Amino acid sequence: DVKVTQSSRYLVKRTGEKVFLECVQDMDHENMFWYRQDPGLGLRLIYFSYDVKMKEKGDIPEGYSVSREKKERFSLILESASTNQTSMYLCASSLPTSGDFETQYFGPGTRLLVL
Amino acid sequence: DAKTTQPPSMDCAEGRAANLPCNHSTISGNEYVYWYRQIHSQGPQYIIHGLKNNETNEMASLIITEDRKSSTLILPHATLRDTAVYYCIVRLDSSYKLIFGSGTRLLVRP
Repeated sequence: DVKVTQSSRYLVKRTGEKVFLECVQDMDHENMFWYRQDPGLGLRLIYFSYDVKMKEKGDIPEGYSVSREKKERFSLILESASTNQTSMYLCASSLPTSGDFETQYFGPGTRLLVL
Repeated sequence: DAKTTQPPSMDCAEGRAANLPCNHSTISGNEYVYWYRQIHSQGPQYIIHGLKNNETNEMASLIITEDRKSSTLILPHATLRDTAVYYCIVRLDSSYKLIFGSGTRLLVRP
């Protein structure tokens, strides 16, 4: 079974702090994703990485950065946390295929509260 | 990207089939239909996907209409653990993007 783990289930930080959210997958997947989920807004893609050191902005990258130094690990960084970044953060990974489907496997999520 | 429409909530009795509809009337020919579910406080879980033909796996069946404008996810014998929000998503085969809508909140009653 594919396993995607996230470093914390719950996190409380103060405004202005630098926050690191870590995601690790154990299936040698090339693609990794960071989403945030908010009530009424569904899941929104923040950043996407298709290879080590490669990244692409998603729909809402402002206020976030990412790091992918190793294939299995994808980090989301909030340079200076703000209260509007309070959310559920979900990491996913997938193995890209051509012509057929590409299933994304999600981690359990990190619920971040910024005070 | 094509959009989907799902009822906000449904319920069914434990042991009965749960049939969850999805409308995707603007779907284009190369877009797949995916279903994911999210149990409370967990990450979304892949269920099934299809392009044109009906599909079945150990979790569910997916029925896609001939014109591909709608589909139905069938959980043949719903259990309490199937209580979750179910998302119907359409996705281009060349696109990494999954666009989650509001989903259907399914409540399985004892």
